[in-house]
Amino acid sequence: ELKVEQNPLFLSMQEGKNYTIYCNYSTTSDRLYWYRQDPGKSLESLFVLLSNGAVKQEGRLMASLDTKARLSTLHITAAVHDLSATYFCAVVGLTGANSKLTFGKGITLSVRP
Amino acid sequence: GAGVSQSPSNKVTEKGKDVELRCDPISGHTALYWYRQSLGQGLEFLIYFQGNSAPDKSGLPSDRFSAERTGGSVSTLTIQRTQQEDSAVYLCASSPGTSGNEQFFGPGTRLTVL
Repeated sequence: ELKVEQNPLFLSMQEGKNYTIYCNYSTTSDRLYWYRQDPGKSLESLFVLLSNGAVKQEGRLMASLDTKARLSTLHITAAVHDLSATYFCAVVGLTGANSKLTFGKGITLSVRP
Repeated sequence: GAGVSQSPSNKVTEKGKDVELRCDPISGHTALYWYRQSLGQGLEFLIYFQGNSAPDKSGLPSDRFSAERTGGSVSTLTIQRTQQEDSAVYLCASSPGTSGNEQFFGPGTRLTVL
């Protein structure tokens, strides 16, 4: 059974500093997605990582994928208040044709002045 | 263009009643997914439709849950004899196909069972 773990579950960040959050998964996969969720809102797609070594950047966020380590990292550069939200990673397993997403529990980021 | 839409946005019902939740995927997307988000269980897959293939119902938590997708577009998730543990946000997502395509989520339906 595919399991996805994110840590930490909550992170208080100081404005202007850099942080990295992690997503581990338990079985082979080459498709990993990062989503953002604001309170009371739906999921907004941030990154799609489709191969080993994939790196994507958007603004202050950079995501990477290491399929051998079964690990994705989300690096935050110079945190700002607007980044406060919950971030989910989700993985698609290789078995079968179903592209259902298995989600981590999410990491809630809070940026303080 | 229009994104995934869901209705109603909120639904309050009494225990034992049936409810229907609706999802309109992005036009042209062949794949449609239902997920459930609750405090205790996080985000869980429920059911998946792809084109004319038989749906993958492996995530449905009980036989009180069912879903249909008519004409390869609109989908309805039905919960019969609702229980309090069914209270959650039900999210629908669609994608252009199966391989590597990101899923676009709707705003969700918040279901509260009293």
